Amino acid sequence: AQTVTQSQPEMSVQEAETVTLSCTYDTSESDYYLFWYKQPPSRQMILVIRQEAYKQQNATENRFSVNFQKAAKSFSLKISDSQLGDAAMYFCAYRRANTNAGKSTFGDGTTLTVKP
Amino acid sequence: GAVVSQHPSWVICKSGTSVKIECRSLDFQATTMFWYRQFPKQSLMLMATSNEGSKATYEQGVEKDKFLINHASLTLSTLTVTSAHPEDSSFYICSARPPEPYTGELFFGEGSRLTVL
Repeated sequence: AQTVTQSQPEMSVQEAETVTLSCTYDTSESDYYLFWYKQPPSRQMILVIRQEAYKQQNATENRFSVNFQKAAKSFSLKISDSQLGDAAMYFCAYRRANTNAGKSTFGDGTTLTVKP
Repeated sequence: GAVVSQHPSWVICKSGTSVKIECRSLDFQATTMFWYRQFPKQSLMLMATSNEGSKATYEQGVEKDKFLINHASLTLSTLTVTSAHPEDSSFYICSARPPEPYTGELFFGEGSRLTVL
């Protein structure tokens, strides 16, 4: 079974600084997706960034980027120039590819605090 | 982008009553939706996979008679908590898989907070 581990229950960062959230996963599949989702205090989950396992290039979305290390099964999220609105719980998630209705596996989450 | 709406966002009910939560895909058809339960500051716990036109697939340990799921159309799935008790109080979230070309991510509803008195 696939597992996703986020070893940092809580992290804090000063506004405008950079923070990295860690995620490791375990799978025997070769083709899969990895995601970072954000859950702000409003509680609605939104997608931050997505990575396809077959792509070697790390995904980037504006201030958000990932460091995807397939061999090490590591998928960290870097938030640059942190803003107060980045404060939220962040979940790392895994999903098998090539399946119509596969379930996603979520990590336990990292609560990010942004200090003004 | 794909929009998923959940209603109600907040509900309080008396113990022993039933509560229905709706999950709608507003601008796409969703053959598959997922229902989760989330406790404060914890991860999402998958309860069941809702498939349009067929029975839901429940995760181990989830009582199917307690949590009734109906996916009667391509845009609507409902979760009914039957004979609710205080221990059913929680935050319930639905998500839907967008149509092809599918890039793997899920789109989530706003969540529904259930409080059973």
